[in-house]
Amino acid sequence: QKEVEQNSGPLSVPEGAIASLNCTYSDRGSQSFFWYRQYSGKSPELIMFIYSNGDKEDGRFTAQLNKASQYVSLLIRDSQPSDSATYLCAVKIGRSGNTGKLIFGQGTTLQVKP
Amino acid sequence: SQTIHQWPATLVQPVGSPLSLECTVEGTSNPNLYWYRQAAGRGLQLLFYSVGIGQISSEVPQNLSASRPQDRQFILSSKKLLLSDSGFYLCAWSFGRLMNTEAFFGQGTRLTVV
Repeated sequence: QKEVEQNSGPLSVPEGAIASLNCTYSDRGSQSFFWYRQYSGKSPELIMFIYSNGDKEDGRFTAQLNKASQYVSLLIRDSQPSDSATYLCAVKIGRSGNTGKLIFGQGTTLQVKP
Repeated sequence: SQTIHQWPATLVQPVGSPLSLECTVEGTSNPNLYWYRQAAGRGLQLLFYSVGIGQISSEVPQNLSASRPQDRQFILSSKKLLLSDSGFYLCAWSFGRLMNTEAFFGQGTRLTVV
């Protein structure tokens, strides 16, 4: 079982719709969860992080975390063509202060069609 | 503020040649440092991570090695490159003493082994 799993897509949504991206992880003790966006040929950039169960909103983005189900998601409201990119879920594996390693899923490609 | 420098941006090397990629971080002390590789159309594979000088954890058995000769310097090396070493190499850092922090990426090195 992979440590962090995502559907590779592509996920295609029309402009203005809600895009829903999902991620599962295997280490039940994981505490930190991150969503990165990566445009083709570029390095990943952080969109959001979430540490507690529930929802966290930042502008058009909402991260959702369910530790019991080992599931984290990212919702993008009012999707724009500029949101077309690969979205990477990352989980920090490890429980103690200075030893966490950051593991990424394979990424989901999002296509927003005008 | 903190910055990360990674060079070169692109590199074409023949099979069997050595490799040295360097990454440096400015503006912080005792960061966690990471090397990732991304094959075309794939997710980020963690190669090495380091929590301090001389402390290197290897995640995947392979043709590569890493070293951390100074607190904010991380070097990825190979004695003899293979075709399969081609990919997009990314260096990243995170705050060392804080468990729940994101990683910040350098601009990446696109390596083509010919």
